[in-house]
Amino acid sequence: DTAVSQTPKYLVTQMGNDKSIKCEQNLGHDTMYWYKQDSKKFLKIMFSYNNKELIINETVPNRFSPKSPDKAHLNLHINSLELGDSAVYFCASSQALTSGRRRDEQYFGPGTRLTVT
Amino acid sequence: AQKITQTQPGMFVQEKEAVTLDCTYDTSDPSYGLFWYKQPSSGEMIFLIYQGSYDQQNATEGRYSLNFQKARKSANLVISASQLGDSAMYFCAMREGPGTYKYIFGTGTRLKVLA
Repeated sequence: DTAVSQTPKYLVTQMGNDKSIKCEQNLGHDTMYWYKQDSKKFLKIMFSYNNKELIINETVPNRFSPKSPDKAHLNLHINSLELGDSAVYFCASSQALTSGRRRDEQYFGPGTRLTVT
Repeated sequence: AQKITQTQPGMFVQEKEAVTLDCTYDTSDPSYGLFWYKQPSSGEMIFLIYQGSYDQQNATEGRYSLNFQKARKSANLVISASQLGDSAMYFCAMREGPGTYKYIFGTGTRLKVLA
């Protein structure tokens, strides 16, 4: 069973188009994230949702709009794609620390390689 | 200022030897978590090991151990008995505070294990 899944795995599109990436987790986690990994492998958080509520929005252009229809899903819609949007986008999920949970590592999806031409 | 610093862009190690990947962090929060992830050439991100700021002992997970030196703000990853399959990018990450949900990643170290 895949813990965090993303579709599509590859996305090739032209500048100016609008595209979406879908993410689903079956771990029962409360928190989901979107990260962007650039060509130098630098991984930067974009958004974080906790129980469907946006809690982190890291200076991302408003062409990027996340949507969480429920706790298990976090989708990313990108309008008016630009060359600089080419990257690998990772979805991740985690569960917060509690008295019974001593660590809060993130589980990552396989990534979506977006290429804008 | 960088919150997470990995000063080794690339490392080589001979198969079966041990290797240490460096990570230093910067935070004024007394409660934080430190993580190491592995990213093989196939691209997925794999969680390896976790150290909480209040944990008294260094974390270990199989061949991975975390050399946690709180006063020096370092959290080095030690891989013992390296295997060819350990060749990958390794990322150190930190989560400040118990409920911030914000994880900051270092720039990574590319490890190559030589046969």
